[in-house]
Amino acid sequence: GNSVTQMEGPVTLSEEAFLTINCTYTATGYPSLFWYVQYPGEGLQLLLKATKADDKGSNKGFEATYRKETTSFHLEKGSVQVSDSAVYFCALLVWAGKSTFGDGTTLTVKP
Amino acid sequence: EAGVAQSPRYKIIEKRQSVAFWCNPISGHATLYWYQQILGQGPKLLIQFQNNGVVDDSQLPKDRFSAERLKGVDSTLKIQPAKLEDSAVYLCASSDLRDKTFSGANVLTFGAGSRLTVL
Repeated sequence: GNSVTQMEGPVTLSEEAFLTINCTYTATGYPSLFWYVQYPGEGLQLLLKATKADDKGSNKGFEATYRKETTSFHLEKGSVQVSDSAVYFCALLVWAGKSTFGDGTTLTVKP
Repeated sequence: EAGVAQSPRYKIIEKRQSVAFWCNPISGHATLYWYQQILGQGPKLLIQFQNNGVVDDSQLPKDRFSAERLKGVDSTLKIQPAKLEDSAVYLCASSDLRDKTFSGANVLTFGAGSRLTVL
């Protein structure tokens, strides 16, 4: 079956630190990969995505590259802000509509 | 555009009682999903509708959970009778399978969720 494994949290960083949240996946077929973010009290929202190998998704300073050879989609940001504090979910989609999510990584950024 | 609306935001019930959640998706989105998110875990798909038909309900505990989507718009998710392990956030999401912006990949738009506590 399909699965997503994220690095365990919580992750606590100081403002302006470099962020990496690891994500690896197992999938039958050729998935699209996503990062969703959930801010406190809100629903999940799409952060970025990539649909094929070597694609790089980017948004709000975050980036992730689809690595087929290592089945990974690690999330990075060069300089985090307090406002980036949230829960981050890696997800894959093998066919239209059926997404599989990781368990989420909680990020806390301290000033 | 208006987002996915869900209600109630919070519900506390005793075990063996019943509860219902409502979802109004983004206008024009044909696909609607209900996810269960237990604390500390990622969302797990319970049921997926395409218009008013069920596409996937393989993870729905059908002895106690039911869902419907009349007229292919709003949807309700019901739990009867509730168990302690049903305490979770119930997320509704919608998508437009016609959206080809991202090479056919399907982006989900989520509501804020309904948090259920079963005592």
